[in-house]
Amino acid sequence: GESVGLHLPTLSVQEGDNSIINCAYSNSASDYFIWYKQESGKGPQFIIDIRSNMDKRQGQRVTVLLNKTVKHLSLQIAATQPGDSAVYFCAENWGNTPLVFGKGTRLSVIA
Amino acid sequence: DVKVTQSSRYLVKRTGEKVFLECVQDMDHENMFWYRQDPGLGLRLIYFSYDVKMKEKGDIPEGYSVSREKKERFSLILESASTNQTSMYLCASSFRPGGEKLFFGSGTQLSVL
Repeated sequence: GESVGLHLPTLSVQEGDNSIINCAYSNSASDYFIWYKQESGKGPQFIIDIRSNMDKRQGQRVTVLLNKTVKHLSLQIAATQPGDSAVYFCAENWGNTPLVFGKGTRLSVIA
Repeated sequence: DVKVTQSSRYLVKRTGEKVFLECVQDMDHENMFWYRQDPGLGLRLIYFSYDVKMKEKGDIPEGYSVSREKKERFSLILESASTNQTSMYLCASSFRPGGEKLFFGSGTQLSVL
């Protein structure tokens, strides 16, 4: 499959700080990107998505940034809370091909 | 509340056994997927289906097969379980092909001894 990688496998942040989770992708044809959060013992849950015709999208406390020039995706979490501790996956696809997932980043929030 | 239900949370099987992992979704989705999750490797696609009776191989189909007799049910079959198939198996469904906004089940942790 295509390579969807991460710059950092683990990230520790202080409660209340902002978190930034990064993701690199290699397929320039990818036109859809998505972030998932997986808490311990649960399946991944949708956080936010973005299409390639946008470079930024905001949700509740989360922002996804897409830089197509360098094939880079990031998830920003504002005012990180203990409940944000989880593994975060980025994924991409193009057309109707199935999503290709990255290896995940573990976010640990320090109280 | 929408749901993807996987029949077993934990499963222990012996090498050589035939194993069935069941998945049911109640969202009337056409598209269903089976992923395998291993530490450090992320989620890897085993098989997917965009319609009843239709199935497509994903990235790692070897040693697996699937069945989709009804729209809501997608089963993963390990024909002859091996120890390297010990893993977390995740079923998912989506409204759109390709898996935009996939809804995942809670997973089945399979141990093959």
